[in-house]
Amino acid sequence: RKEVEQDPGPFNVPEGATVAFNCTYSNSASQSFFWYRQDCRKEPKLLMSVYSSGNEDGRFTAQLNRASQYISLLIRDSKLSDSATYLCVVIISGYSTLTFGKGTMLLVSP
Amino acid sequence: NAGVTQTPKFQVLKTGQSMTLQCAQDMNHEYMSWYRQDPGMGLRLIHYSVGAGITDQGEVPNGYNVSRSTTEDFPLRLLSAAPSQTSVYFCASSNPPKRGGSEQYFGPGTRLTVT
Repeated sequence: RKEVEQDPGPFNVPEGATVAFNCTYSNSASQSFFWYRQDCRKEPKLLMSVYSSGNEDGRFTAQLNRASQYISLLIRDSKLSDSATYLCVVIISGYSTLTFGKGTMLLVSP
Repeated sequence: NAGVTQTPKFQVLKTGQSMTLQCAQDMNHEYMSWYRQDPGMGLRLIHYSVGAGITDQGEVPNGYNVSRSTTEDFPLRLLSAAPSQTSVYFCASSNPPKRGGSEQYFGPGTRLTVT
């Protein structure tokens, strides 16, 4: 079983839609969680960290469910510019490295 | 700050050739890493370093060497290029993940083709 799993998509949504992605992780010692965004042929960039109590940044909301071992990303009022691949990233306690999911592709159409 | 820089941006090699991908950061980050990204495979860790003089293997280290003589530089060497090493290579730096380092700063990538 992969340590971090994501639905690869693509998720095709119209502008203005609300879309949500989930990411499941297998190691219960996972301690830190992040969402990164990667545009086509570009480097990944941090979108937001995911806190235990959930957090919001404008149209983006991230949540953590430790009991079921998943994190989620909700995007409201989708824009064309939200089209990208969204990577789930986990740091496992005591590890020196990050674990990346393979990413979920989002395509927002006019 | 330039952030993380990588050179070259593009490279074509013949099988058996060797080369070094350069990576430098000016943020005084202790942690640096190299990933390769292939379609459908996501980002896979090749090697990483938690500080000058310290390196370790990641998930896919075979065929690659690294060294970390300074905090700023973390070159990746391909010893004898193979077509299976055709990929996009990203270098990244951050504060140490073990100490809560969160944001990884990625370089723009090197697109390598081995024929």
